[in-house]
Amino acid sequence: AQTVTQSQPEMSVQEAETVTLSCTYDTSENNYYLFWYKQPPSRQMILVIRQEAYKQQNATENRFSVNFQKAAKSFSLKISDSQLGDTAMYFCAFSGGSNYKLTFGKGTLLTVNP
Amino acid sequence: DSGVTQTPKHLITATGQRVTLRCSPRSGDLSVYWYQQSLDQGLQFLIQYYNGEERAKGNILERFSAQQFPDLHSELNLSSLELGDSALYFCASSVTGTNNYGYTFGSGTRLTVV
Repeated sequence: AQTVTQSQPEMSVQEAETVTLSCTYDTSENNYYLFWYKQPPSRQMILVIRQEAYKQQNATENRFSVNFQKAAKSFSLKISDSQLGDTAMYFCAFSGGSNYKLTFGKGTLLTVNP
Repeated sequence: DSGVTQTPKHLITATGQRVTLRCSPRSGDLSVYWYQQSLDQGLQFLIQYYNGEERAKGNILERFSAQQFPDLHSELNLSSLELGDSALYFCASSVTGTNNYGYTFGSGTRLTVV
């Protein structure tokens, strides 16, 4: 069974600074997908970024980028130029094998301070 | 607006009762997924339907059941409710039965059992 671990329950950052959220996973699958979802106080789950395991190039979406280390089974999220609207719970998620479900980590609560 | 509609947004009910949560997937999406989010268990996959048929089951209790109708909307039925069933229930949808591109989530139904 796959597991996803987010070792940082809470983090804080000053506005305009850069922050990195950590995620590790365990799987025996070779082909899989990794995701970061954001859940702001509105509770909506929003897809931030997606990475395909067979692609070596790290995914980037505007201010959000990942550092995907397949051998280390590590998938960290870097947020540059943090904004107050980035305050949210961030979940790392894994999809592989049967590809029908997401396995989520416990989440990291990120607070961006003015 | 994600395009996935969940009703009701909030629900308060007593132990032992039965409730129905409704989900309309994003236009064109054939697959519906149900997740439960609680403080102690995090985000847990419950069940998936694809084009009207059950595709996969996760940690869904026997007291819970779901179905997907010909118009592709889905309902999650929770019966003999217990205090521990209090949680945020999410519906998500995707075009295919796989999750390679990530789901689109609804805004959730907050269920409180008293």
